[in-house]
Order: sequence, then structure tokens, then C-alpha cells
Amino acid sequence: DIQMTQSPSSLSASVGDRVTITCRAGQSISSYLNWYQQKPGKAPKLLIYAASSLQSGVPSRFSGSGSGTDFTLTIDSLQPEDFATYYCQQTYSNPPITFGQGTRLESK
Amino acid sequence: QVQLVQSGVEVKKPGASVKVSCKASGYTFRTSGLSWVRQAPGQGLEWMGWISAYNGNTNYAQNFQGRVTMTTDTSTSTAYLELRRLRSDDTAMYYCARTYYYDSSGYARRSALDIWGQGTMVTVSS
Repeated sequence: DIQMTQSPSSLSASVGDRVTITCRAGQSISSYLNWYQQKPGKAPKLLIYAASSLQSGVPSRFSGSGSGTDFTLTIDSLQPEDFATYYCQQTYSNPPITFGQGTRLESK
Repeated sequence: QVQLVQSGVEVKKPGASVKVSCKASGYTFRTSGLSWVRQAPGQGLEWMGWISAYNGNTNYAQNFQGRVTMTTDTSTSTAYLELRRLRSDDTAMYYCARTYYYDSSGYARRSALDIWGQGTMVTVSS
């Protein structure tokens, strides 16, 4: 199975900040990388697919980049509703799909 | 609108089985597949497997082989997850999620999980 490692595990930021979350794959996964946002008590929500494509309806302050083994999720001008946990997911080796351990974004 | 609606809370004893349902609406059920993903309390996401709603083909994660069965009923646009020989560490929220092929290829790599059910909490306790 391909291991996905996110950093940091948690992060404190303020409204208006620019935030970057990193995801590293245990082997090259080309661009087969998706990002999800999960708020407490809710199901995950797809934000970014294929490393850099914005899912319909997702605000443009979210962006993704990377290929191979290293990927980033960037949130420009953080909004109050963005405080949540973020997960990366690889589909290069599918099955099985594997997720990163999550990055909890908290208000400073 | 496109949605997946799951069955309600389950409480089971160790060794029992549980069957969770996931009813789809707002799209043609047979044109996609569904994954099941679980999340233990305070933990991350764990993929359990996938089923094609078109032909019933399945792929199960190694961790669940022999204990899990995924099925669909196309007449009711409903998918089912059955997990047997439950243990306390199976206590989790169980989600179904639709497979979205973002380039319409049907190729598993070029996919994401775009619509999620609300989750079904399964508690295993003696």
C-alpha cells in the first residue's frame, strides 16, 4: 500500500492568513492526488482532484499543486469556515485507496 | 439534488454482524461506483472497499478481506455494507461515497469521492 504522510499534523492560523499543507507519497503517484475537507460531525468534502483541479463549487482561495511524491494544498486568505481537518488521498494504486493522517487547522 | 442517505445508528455486540445501507438519489445509480470509508472516533479515514453499481464488481481492502461484503440493489438504488465478526475496534462512523471519474474514462486512478453519505455510527460493545 502507498503511505501518505501529511505535515503538519496540526496548524494554528488566523483569518486572512495564507496556509499551506503538505502531503508526501511513499512512491511516485503522478498527479493522482485528491484533497478533502472535513468539519466536526460532518462527512468529508472533495476540494481538489487530480492534484490541482478545483471541484465545482469550491472557493478559488483553495488551490493544489505538485506531482510525483510531493503535493501541497494552499488556502489563500483564510476564512472562518475554513477551520477544519484536511486529508489527502491517493488513487494511483487503486485498490487500495489510501489517505493521509489528516491536518487539523485551528484558529490562533 | 445528488445525495446519498445512509441508515441509522447501530449498536452491536462483539462477534455480531452489521449491515449498513446507502440510498442514492439525483443521479443514475448504475453509472458509478461507491466506496465505503470508515473513521474511528478521533481518527483518520480508512478505505474499506469499492463496488461497481453497474455490474457488482468489488475490491476490498486487505484489512477487511473475509469479513466484509458489499452489494447493491439497482432496483432501489441502494448499496449495502455488511461487516461480520465485529470487534470493539470496529466502532466507527461508516461512510459511503460516490466515485467520480473526473475525465469520464472509468479508470480507477482518475477518480475521487465527490458525494458522501451523512455517515452511520456503528458501536460495538458488550
